[in-house]
Amino acid sequence: EAQVTQNPRYLITVTGKKLTVTCSQNMNHEYMSWYRQDPGLGLRQIYYSMNVEVTDKGDVPEGYKVSRKEKRNFPLILESPSPNQTSLYFCASSLGGRSHYGYTFGSGTRLTVV
Amino acid sequence: EDKVVQSPLSLVVHEGDTVTLNCSYEVTNFRSLLWYKQEKKAPTFLFMLTSSGIEKKSGRLSSILDKKELSSILNITATQTGDSAIYLCAVGDRGSQGNLIFGKGTKLSVKP
Repeated sequence: EAQVTQNPRYLITVTGKKLTVTCSQNMNHEYMSWYRQDPGLGLRQIYYSMNVEVTDKGDVPEGYKVSRKEKRNFPLILESPSPNQTSLYFCASSLGGRSHYGYTFGSGTRLTVV
Repeated sequence: EDKVVQSPLSLVVHEGDTVTLNCSYEVTNFRSLLWYKQEKKAPTFLFMLTSSGIEKKSGRLSSILDKKELSSILNITATQTGDSAIYLCAVGDRGSQGNLIFGKGTKLSVKP
């Protein structure tokens, strides 16, 4: 089944404790992206990647890191999480490139930083 | 700055009503407009629109794009409680190589 898999689905952590949210897609998509979703603010892009080893900042990149060493994986790293990073996170992928296709979203990760 | 604005932000209707959700956009070089439905989890794809005036339909849902007015509408007829969700509009820019700009969404609640 074609899908984007995110883990974990739920995470409660403490301020300053490094964490990684994994994202993997099995559709050979070139484009991958991370969003956070907060009430009243909608989906805001954190980072995106056009292909392996190519990443770029979105609208709200502060406090986050990403890497794209393989086409299928695009982990989101919070080196020192803070309470304002409590949010619902989505990974998404698409074919990208010149032809625009809609995103396929992962199931989401609800992160709470205390 | 590119932006997508949805209205209304929230809407409460009764089963059987017809609703119209609006999406307007300002992007440098428009490529496509997409509608998603988000229930309690990830957004799921509804429609992608690239040409003005051509209606896309799926059951009780339909959508149309007006490039002259830089807008789109999503219609839902004979609403059901299962239509309760956040409806997201997103626009792709030709120069963005895959990025989508999302509106804040319209929260639709359908009461029995």
